[in-house]
Amino acid sequence: EVQLVESGGGLVQPGGSLRVSCAASGFTLSTSEMNWVRQAPGKGLEWVSYISRSGSHIYYADSVKGRFTISRDNAKNSLYLQMNSLRAEDTAVYYCARAGAEYYFDCWGQGTLVTVSS
Amino acid sequence: QTVVTQEPSFSVSPGGTVTLTCGLSSGSVSTSYYPSWYQQTPGQAPRTLIYSTNTRSSGVPDRFSGSILGNKAALTITGAQADDESDYYCVLYMGSGDVVFGGGTKLTVL
Repeated sequence: EVQLVESGGGLVQPGGSLRVSCAASGFTLSTSEMNWVRQAPGKGLEWVSYISRSGSHIYYADSVKGRFTISRDNAKNSLYLQMNSLRAEDTAVYYCARAGAEYYFDCWGQGTLVTVSS
Repeated sequence: QTVVTQEPSFSVSPGGTVTLTCGLSSGSVSTSYYPSWYQQTPGQAPRTLIYSTNTRSSGVPDRFSGSILGNKAALTITGAQADDESDYYCVLYMGSGDVVFGGGTKLTVL
């Protein structure tokens, strides 16, 4: 069974840093392009970042560019999102999502909550 | 900044048919945007329904269908059921790895 499990969320102060992880099982991560998508409390979904299979192509939403870094360790079947200079508006559930072949999200994790507050 | 538009809310009677749409603040949606649709109930992760305009994801019942209607992408639910009451999001591919979510439609079945 294909499964994505996020971890690493928690409470962090404004200006702080946090790294969230996504463990993949049931498939080989190296064969898949991956994304992070977030959802602020009571709000809609927002695409955050994309990484290609090898990590050679990376894209970010303007709202996180320069502060967040997506990475992957195919040997560990894991995806990461390093979040620096966190702001209150970064408070959200962060989902990792596998990319399907035709520019969509074909598999989602259950999400991990990141709260930025003093 | 491109905005993807969806109806904020919609209601449908049980057994009825409803069509939700996904448009652009400027321009028309075509298959080149690879529209996809997702269903989300409160506290749950999104579920993929439709991709590449009209392809149903694995396990999605054929009550759900996707299309292009005029200048928008559309999700049609036929024979609505109580557990279809959810938030529905569309996504459009803008190129160069950029995808944009619509604001979502809250569907009520009553």
